[in-house]
Amino acid sequence: GQSLEQPSEVTAVEGAIVQINCTYQTSGFYGLSWYQQHDGGAPTFLSYNALDGLEETGRFSSFLSRSDSYGYLLLQELQMKDSASYFCAVRDSQAGTALIFGKGTTLSVSS
Amino acid sequence: DTAVSQTPKYLVTQMGNDKSIKCEQNLGHDTMYWYKQDSKKFLKIMFSYNNKELIINETVPNRFSPKSPDKAHLNLHINSLELGDSAVYFCASSHMEETQYFGPGTRLLVL
Repeated sequence: GQSLEQPSEVTAVEGAIVQINCTYQTSGFYGLSWYQQHDGGAPTFLSYNALDGLEETGRFSSFLSRSDSYGYLLLQELQMKDSASYFCAVRDSQAGTALIFGKGTTLSVSS
Repeated sequence: DTAVSQTPKYLVTQMGNDKSIKCEQNLGHDTMYWYKQDSKKFLKIMFSYNNKELIINETVPNRFSPKSPDKAHLNLHINSLELGDSAVYFCASSHMEETQYFGPGTRLLVL
């Protein structure tokens, strides 16, 4: 089957750097995605890695190692508004282009 | 303009009732999805649909059925509602395997 593991909670202070790890087991790997969800809101796309390496988008970066079935989301210069849940996801090989999500990491940023 | 919209935003109903949730996307995407998010924030695919194929997650009870009147709409019908159906239901859309865009969610409470 397919599964993803990520920490359930992470806490940090404003201005800090946080890394959220994700390990996955999947058949037919197409890439690793990250989504952000604020309380009461909808998941919104952050990044996608299909190839090994680091992708940077502003304060957020995402890394993938296909050989290790591992990726991470790096959040720099944390702000209070970054407090949210972060989900890693892979394409569900049994469901076309649908996504299989990890259980989410709740990030709490304090001042 | 809202990219993916859902109605209603909140739905409170009694066990045994039949209800529908509507979803519309104006992004011109060819694939739409329904996800269920439970009280522990676990996001799970229910259906994946494009104009050629419906893919159903085998764990979804057959009381749930998607109906697509056209490419821009994917409605969710639920028969004989049960307490365990209480959750947030998200509609999403994408162009093939690209980024998925989520609607705001429908918060369903079954009493």
